[in-house]
Amino acid sequence: DTAVSQTPKYLVTQMGNDKSIKCEQNLGHDTMYWYKQDSKKFLKIMFSYNNKELIINETVPNRFSPKSPDKAHLNLHINSLELGDSAVYFCASSQAPFGETQYFGPGTRLLVL
Amino acid sequence: EDQVTQSPEALRLQEGESSSLNCSYTVSGLRGLFWYRQDPGKGPEFLFTLYSAGEEKEKERLKATLTKKESFLHITAPKPEDSATYLCAVQKRGGNKLVFGAGTILRVKS
Repeated sequence: DTAVSQTPKYLVTQMGNDKSIKCEQNLGHDTMYWYKQDSKKFLKIMFSYNNKELIINETVPNRFSPKSPDKAHLNLHINSLELGDSAVYFCASSQAPFGETQYFGPGTRLLVL
Repeated sequence: EDQVTQSPEALRLQEGESSSLNCSYTVSGLRGLFWYRQDPGKGPEFLFTLYSAGEEKEKERLKATLTKKESFLHITAPKPEDSATYLCAVQKRGGNKLVFGAGTILRVKS
C-alpha cells in the first residue's frame, strides 16, 4: 500500500489553464504539506495543513490554493498557469506538525507550455 | 534566515570506496536535522533524524552524525545501488517546515 499518493503523476498543460493535483495519505497523520522542487532540485515548502487547518503559507502567488477536505487529503489547485510554474510538486505528511519525520509522495511533474 | 549548504554537489566513488557527505546549517534553534535519499523521478525517502549534537544513527552502509554546525553522512563500502541524491534538511524549534539543501548527487561505479 502506498503511504502518500499523488495524482496525476504527469501533467502537461497550456499557459493560462487551471489545474489541480490531488494528494492522499493512509498513514493516519495529522499534518500534510506541499513542496515545490524546481529545475535546480531545491525543495521548498509551499503550504502546510494540520487537522485541516492552514498553518504554513509561504510566499506563494495567490494563484495557488490548497484545500484539505479531511485529514487524509490535501489538494492543490493552480489558476492561470504560467511557464514558471513548471516544476515537480511533492506532497508530504507527518504525524504531528513539529519535529516529526515527513514522508513524501512520488511527485507530480507539471509542465506548462 | 535558515540556511542549509551541502557539499560536494556531486561525488563519484568506486564500489567499496568509503566517503562522507557534508551538510552545514545555520538555524536559530535546531529542532531536528533530517537526511533523505532521492532516486531519479521519485520522492525523497526518509533515512535519519538527528536531534542533538553528538547523536549518531546507522542504517546498513550509512551513518549520520551531528554537531552544532554540521552533519555528516558517512558511506562505508558503497555499492552501485547507493547511487542517488542525498538531501539534508533542518527544522527549527517551534516551526514545522523543512528547509532543504540542494543535495549531493552520489554515483557509485562498479
